[in-house]
Amino acid sequence: DTGVSQDPRHKITKRGQNVTFRCDPISEHNRLYWYRQTLGQGPEFLTYFQNEAQLEKSRLLSDRFSAERPKGSFSTLEIQRTEQGDSAMYLCASRGAIGTADYEQYFGPGTRLTVT
Amino acid sequence: GENVEQHPSTLSVQEGDSAVIKCTYSDSASNYFPWYKQELGKRPQLIIDIRSNVGEKKDQRIAVTLNKTAKHFSLHITETQPEDSAVYFCAASKDWGKLIFGQGTELSVKP
Repeated sequence: DTGVSQDPRHKITKRGQNVTFRCDPISEHNRLYWYRQTLGQGPEFLTYFQNEAQLEKSRLLSDRFSAERPKGSFSTLEIQRTEQGDSAMYLCASRGAIGTADYEQYFGPGTRLTVT
Repeated sequence: GENVEQHPSTLSVQEGDSAVIKCTYSDSASNYFPWYKQELGKRPQLIIDIRSNVGEKKDQRIAVTLNKTAKHFSLHITETQPEDSAVYFCAASKDWGKLIFGQGTELSVKP
């Protein structure tokens, strides 16, 4: 499968624990995006990278959230001291390099987080 | 701030009828407008997109229209089929930046 992959697909954790999710983009894509989606809502932007540089982070994003893309390939999203309100689907997407004709963001299958 | 409003939130049509979903955006610098289809428990998948230098785009039964002056764009699905039933999201972005999504429209096509 050459699409965007995410791991794990499901995560159940207790309130107060830390969790980390991984996203592997399509190999030639240099832009990587993280979104969060709750039931019945559209995806909400969290942050995005161009190569290893984090270009934008949502102002709504708590300091408990951090993301990295150390080598410009895969990315990790960490949530510290999880709260019940963090329960959501976390989606990753990737997009080709600037200047290509393809504007599409390709989404991964998501990681469903449940905080108990 | 940046915002995309989408209407209606639910839409029920008979098989073979047309369906129209409308979105408005707030950031006049937005220049890329994709539409995604999301089936239950699955990832969003692009069905059609339009850039701001084009007023209309069509792909078989699906078409999108864009009115930059009014900051308004719409999805049109003709000859609907039961397999078109899903949640549809519009979105807007500037260049290669983040997508700002609408709230979604749950489309139900009754056979």
